[in-house]
Amino acid sequence: KAGVTQTPRYLIKTRGQQVTLSCSPISGHRSVSWYQQTPGQGLQFLFEYFSETQRNKGNFPGRFSGRQFSNSRSEMNVSTLELGDSALYLCASSLTDRSKGYGYTFGSGTRLTVV
Amino acid sequence: AQTVTQSQPEMSVQEAETVTLSCTYDTSESNYYLFWYKQPPSRQMILVIRQEAYKQQNATENRFSVNFQKAAKSFSLKISDSQLGDTAMYFCAFMTPNQAGTALIFGKGTTLSVSS
Repeated sequence: KAGVTQTPRYLIKTRGQQVTLSCSPISGHRSVSWYQQTPGQGLQFLFEYFSETQRNKGNFPGRFSGRQFSNSRSEMNVSTLELGDSALYLCASSLTDRSKGYGYTFGSGTRLTVV
Repeated sequence: AQTVTQSQPEMSVQEAETVTLSCTYDTSESNYYLFWYKQPPSRQMILVIRQEAYKQQNATENRFSVNFQKAAKSFSLKISDSQLGDTAMYFCAFMTPNQAGTALIFGKGTTLSVSS
């Protein structure tokens, strides 16, 4: 079956601009989570969406937002980009089901560079 | 707050040898899950193995096994018969499901180099 698809793979943006990243989860997975990966801070949780509702949020400023559509696809938006937002953004879809062991599957990520 | 600590930033091993990566975590929760993920240079995070806290038996997946010491809050990964393809960054992660949802908390990672 198809894996988690993230688009685009690479992005270069200028400070002050905004950006939208997309994530298509594995079919049947209703939970989509976003993570930011940087060399300094490592992997940090941004937010989780389940059935079109944000149900968990990490410690990031309000410039970071997201949404989930009825087909479970999710988008993440970052407004007023700062140099420090340069990072690999990873999306993970999961079965929120104890019997399935909460399997998380990650996409290949979007590498965002802010100049 | 839950934390995950990986004390070995880098490890190296020869092909066919065995290596153990360390991970400790801190939590007051009783229901949680632990994971080891592998991130090769292709940057895709790949699940290596997972452990449910309520299961006492250590998880095993082919050449990968864990030593889960719940009282010590330790979750180490053993890779047997190391292969060149095991070269990657390895992350230990913790998750506790609750009404607020689920979120993985990652350690800083261990870079593993396997040489011939």
